Amino acid sequence: SQQGEEDPQALSIQEGENATMNCSYKTSINNLQWYRQNSGRGLVHLILIRSNEREKHSGRLRVTLDTSKKSSSLLITASRAADTASYFCATPNRDDKIIFGKGTRLHILP
Amino acid sequence: DAGVIQSPRHEVTEMGQEVTLRCKPISGHDYLFWYRQTMMRGLELLIYFNNNVPIDDSGMPEDRFSAKMPNASFSTLKIQPSEPRDSAVYFCASSRIISTDTQYFGPGTRLTVL
Repeated sequence: SQQGEEDPQALSIQEGENATMNCSYKTSINNLQWYRQNSGRGLVHLILIRSNEREKHSGRLRVTLDTSKKSSSLLITASRAADTASYFCATPNRDDKIIFGKGTRLHILP
Repeated sequence: DAGVIQSPRHEVTEMGQEVTLRCKPISGHDYLFWYRQTMMRGLELLIYFNNNVPIDDSGMPEDRFSAKMPNASFSTLKIQPSEPRDSAVYFCASSRIISTDTQYFGPGTRLTVL
C-alpha cells in the first residue's frame, strides 16, 4: 500500500543551487526517514525525523516535517555533482512496515 | 563491520531455471528484509524476518518465490521456476528495530531472466 509519495519525480538543477524534494503521506506516523540511492547501488539512510520534531539538520541536509499537512521536505543546500541520485522518503504503515515512495531523481548539472 | 552482503551481484538465467539469492545481514541486527526494485513498481517489500522467523510474506508475488533464514547470519530468496517478469534488482536490508530504526541495504542483486 502506497504510504509516502515524493514530488517532483525528477529534478535537474545547476551545481551550487539548492534542491528541495517533498514527501506526502497518508496515515499518522511516528517518524519519517529519507534515503539516497546512487545509480547501481543500495539505499543509504540520510536522516530520520520523529513526529515530535519539526526540523532536523545533518550537514548540508535540512528536513522538515509538518504532521498537520502529512508532509515532509528534504533540502540539500549548495548542491554538488555527487548529490546526483534518487531520494526516497520512507514511513511506517499501520502494520509497522516501512514503505518507500517511488523517489525523486535528482540530477546536478555541472 | 562489512555491512549487508549480497551475492551474486549479477545473475543472468533462462526462463524456467531456479535462482537463489543470498544475504548476510549486519551482525546483531534482528530484522532482515527482502525487497524488489523495478522502474514500474519502485521498491517493494517482499518478506521480512525477525530473529530468523518470517513475520510477513504478504509481498511475495507468487508461490514461485520462497525465502528462508536458517540462522541469524544468512538468508536466501529463491525463485523457482524463474520468469522474465522476475527481472529486477533484489535488495536485502537489515535493521535493529523494524519501524523506527534505520535500514541498512546491501548492494543488490541484478537479476535478468531471459
